[in-house]
This record gives sequence, structure tokens and C-alpha cells, in this order.
Amino acid sequence: GAVVSQHPSRVICKSGTSVKIECRSLDFQATTMFWYRQFPKQSLMLMATSNEGSKATYEQGVEKDKFLINHASLTLSTLTVTSAHPEDSSFYICSARPPGLAGVYYNEQFFGPGTRLTVL
Amino acid sequence: AQSVAQPEDQVNVAEGNPLTVKCTYSVSGNPYLFWYVQYPNRGLQFLLKYITGDNLVKGSYGFEAEFNKSQTSFHLKKPSALVSDSALYFCAVRDIPNAGNMLTFGGGTRLMVKP
Repeated sequence: GAVVSQHPSRVICKSGTSVKIECRSLDFQATTMFWYRQFPKQSLMLMATSNEGSKATYEQGVEKDKFLINHASLTLSTLTVTSAHPEDSSFYICSARPPGLAGVYYNEQFFGPGTRLTVL
Repeated sequence: AQSVAQPEDQVNVAEGNPLTVKCTYSVSGNPYLFWYVQYPNRGLQFLLKYITGDNLVKGSYGFEAEFNKSQTSFHLKKPSALVSDSALYFCAVRDIPNAGNMLTFGGGTRLMVKP
């Protein structure tokens, strides 16, 4: 099956620093990747949709300048949390969608293992 | 807009008993429906999906789900629960063809299987 990795799995940083999280599709090319945020005991909230070679589409309420997304290749998307603050502490999960036939929406999303960010 | 509801925050079941985790959905078109499982501090693992065809879908680890269009439900079931099934379960929906590839998740249901 399709495998998605995330790095790092866990990061602790000081307030005001920037943190980069990588999401890689290991055995398929992902034209679209998604970034989710999950608070403790809550569901996943979609933050943005990342399309290779174009600007990410952010969900309402997500700050574009705060959460920088780059999808420079078909196997890598990065999420940079800029000037992180304690309220940014969360579990960040990416998913990747392999390309499919035009007009067919059978493709699943394959999820990474998540990155636990703790901002002190 | 598409939405998913998981009415139970937690489901408790004894090992060996059947389990059901409920999910209802709302979409404007036809739905793609998914179940995922999440273990502590881990990402989501795919269990099963309904796209078209038979309403009863069989998935990983002995789980199955039944698509009921009239009740707009997609409940997850397993005939005999295992302690190792204890985890957080998410139902998700994608509206065809309106939502691109965006999944909308339910709030999650914590399944506790006791020995």
C-alpha cells in the first residue's frame, strides 16, 4: 500500500522559533497533499490543501503567513509554523492523494503518522 | 456543505461481544464514506470505504460497515471485539463531485474493549 512519512515525529521548541514539518509520499507521487491539525481528544481539522507547483489553499480561519506550506515536488510537502507560540502546540497530520483518472474520485487519502509539536 | 456526525464520544464493550460505532452523514450529492482508526500519538489508519456497489463493506481487522442511504448512516461493526481494537475511530465523508478531494471527519468515537 501507499506509505506517507512525516518528519519529525515529535518536536519541542521555544516560543518565537519556526518549525518545519516534512510530509513525504514514499512509493507514489502525490499531486495533492493535505495538512490537518488535531487537538487533544478532538477530530482532525483540515488546515490547507497543497497542490504540487501551486499555492496552497487554506481553510477559513487558518493564517497563511503563520502556517507556510510548500509543495515543491510530487513527493514532498512541508509545513512551516512560523514564530511558534504555545497555542500552536498540537498534533499535525498530513495526508497524500495519488493522482487518479480524470473525473474519478476513487482515490483515497493516505495519512502520515503525525508530528507532535510542543511550543514552550 | 458536507458533514459527519458520530453521536457517541465513547463506546464500551466487553471482549468477544459485537460492537457498533455509529456514523451519520450529510452531503448534497452521493457520498464516499470512510472509516479510519487512530492509536495514541499515531496517524490515521484506513479501515474501509464505501464508494458504490454492495451496501455492506468489509475492511481490515474484521471490521465491516453498512451503507444505509435512507438513514444516511454508515455504522462500523465487528462481530467479536478484541481488547486490541481499543482506539479512536473516525468516520469521514467526501461529497461527489463537489468537494474536490476534501474529507470531512466526524468528531471521533473512542472504543474501549474490556477483557
